[in-house]
Amino acid sequence: DAKTTQPNSMESNEEEPVHLPCNHSTISGTDYIHWYRQLPSQGPEYVIHGLTSNVNNRMASLAIAEDRKSSTLILHRATLRDAAVYYCILRPSSNTGKLIFGQGTTLQVKP
Amino acid sequence: EAQVTQNPRYLITVTGKKLTVTCSQNMNHEYMSWYRQDPGLGLRQIYYSMNVEVTDKGDVPEGYKVSRKEKRNFPLILESPSPNQTSLYFCASSTAGAWTDTQYFGPGTRLTVL
Repeated sequence: DAKTTQPNSMESNEEEPVHLPCNHSTISGTDYIHWYRQLPSQGPEYVIHGLTSNVNNRMASLAIAEDRKSSTLILHRATLRDAAVYYCILRPSSNTGKLIFGQGTTLQVKP
Repeated sequence: EAQVTQNPRYLITVTGKKLTVTCSQNMNHEYMSWYRQDPGLGLRQIYYSMNVEVTDKGDVPEGYKVSRKEKRNFPLILESPSPNQTSLYFCASSTAGAWTDTQYFGPGTRLTVL
């Protein structure tokens, strides 16, 4: 199964952009890249996903490398509420429902 | 409101005493799964179900059972809990099949096995 690698922690200042990297060098050709985040004392929540092209939604942007071996979640203006653990997840194309979580990156946002 | 509910939210039990953690979703999702979360290990999938009466093992299924008799419910059963099953458990659901589907997670059940 393809694995993901993320930095353990990152820091950001409030209202500045944040770039959260994820490496997935063994990704399969049709695996989707999902990002979830987990706020303190809550279950994970969906952030964004993509396959090959860059994606934008109201929460974030996802930049996917041309070779798909890495991706970056971009929070355009970090707020204190964005302090969370961010997980980069590969959704296998084999349609088994199995998700592979990375270790996650703990994002600290300083006021 | 679309949601995944889990009960109980907190449970302290003793080794060997059978317990069930319930999970229910109101979104008519086919796919449901259970995860456990431990410090330093992130979330690991225990079992999942693609639809009623269809279940399969995730990464860490040992010591757990599940059943899927109804679409909305997916209980997690610990027949003989042990201290190494002390953990934070999350249930999740989504529509089945498509790799683009968002998974919705419950609020978590914190289990302590003494």
